[in-house]
Amino acid sequence: EAGVAQSPRYKIIEKRQSVAFWCNPISGHATLYWYQQILGQGPKLLIQFQNNGVVDDSQLPKDRFSAERLKGVDSTLKIQPAKLEDSAVYLCASSLAGDPETQYFGPGTRLLVL
Amino acid sequence: AQSVTQLGSHVSVSEGALVLLRCNYSSSVPPYLFWYVQYPNQGLQLLLKYTSAATLVKGINGFEAEFKKSETSFHLTKPSAHMSDAAEYFCAVSLFGSSASKIIFGSGTRLSIRP
Repeated sequence: EAGVAQSPRYKIIEKRQSVAFWCNPISGHATLYWYQQILGQGPKLLIQFQNNGVVDDSQLPKDRFSAERLKGVDSTLKIQPAKLEDSAVYLCASSLAGDPETQYFGPGTRLLVL
Repeated sequence: AQSVTQLGSHVSVSEGALVLLRCNYSSSVPPYLFWYVQYPNQGLQLLLKYTSAATLVKGINGFEAEFKKSETSFHLTKPSAHMSDAAEYFCAVSLFGSSASKIIFGSGTRLSIRP
C-alpha cells in the first residue's frame, strides 16, 4: 500500500514570497491533516479535512495560510506571503474516517524562509 | 485542555540498556495517549496507542508503555536498546469521541544510542 506522498521535499524562499505544498493521502482515507513542525517542537495541527470539507482550522493563520482539498483526495497548503517564522517542516497525514486515532504521516516538506 | 509534558529533551543510553522515555499528561477526562517515532528526514510513525483498554500497551519494535492514572503518566520503555532505535520520540494526547478530536503532541525526546 502506498503511503502519504508530499512534494516538494525541500523548499527555500525569501520572505514575502509565496509557496505551495502538495499532499496525496493514502487511497480511501477520508480525513487529511496538515501539521506544522517547528524545529525542536512537536507537530501542531493547522487544518483538518473530512473529504473536501474543513473540520478544524482553528490554528491556521488565515491571513497568510490557505488550504484546499477540492475533490476530497489530494490537498494543497499555501503560504502567501511567507515570514521568517514560517520556517518549519510541514507534515501531511491521513486517516480512515472511522479511525482518527491512527494517522499515517508523509515525509514532510522542509521550508526555509530567508 | 489536554497537554503532554515530555521530561528530557535528550536521552542517551548504551546499546543493550533499558530505554525509558518519560511522558506526563494533563486531561480533564480520560484521554487517548500515543507514542510516535520520527526518524531523520521522515514523517511520524505510530509506535503504540492507549484507548482505555489494557493499561499496558505493547507496540512495534519491542516498545511498550503503561498508563498510570494515579501518576498521570504514560512512560515508554524498551528492555534492550538497539542502534536502530536512535530517533525522536513524541508523546501525544487526544480526546477522540468528543468534539475535541485533535492530537496534541509533546515537544519530543531525542534518543541517542551509544555503542
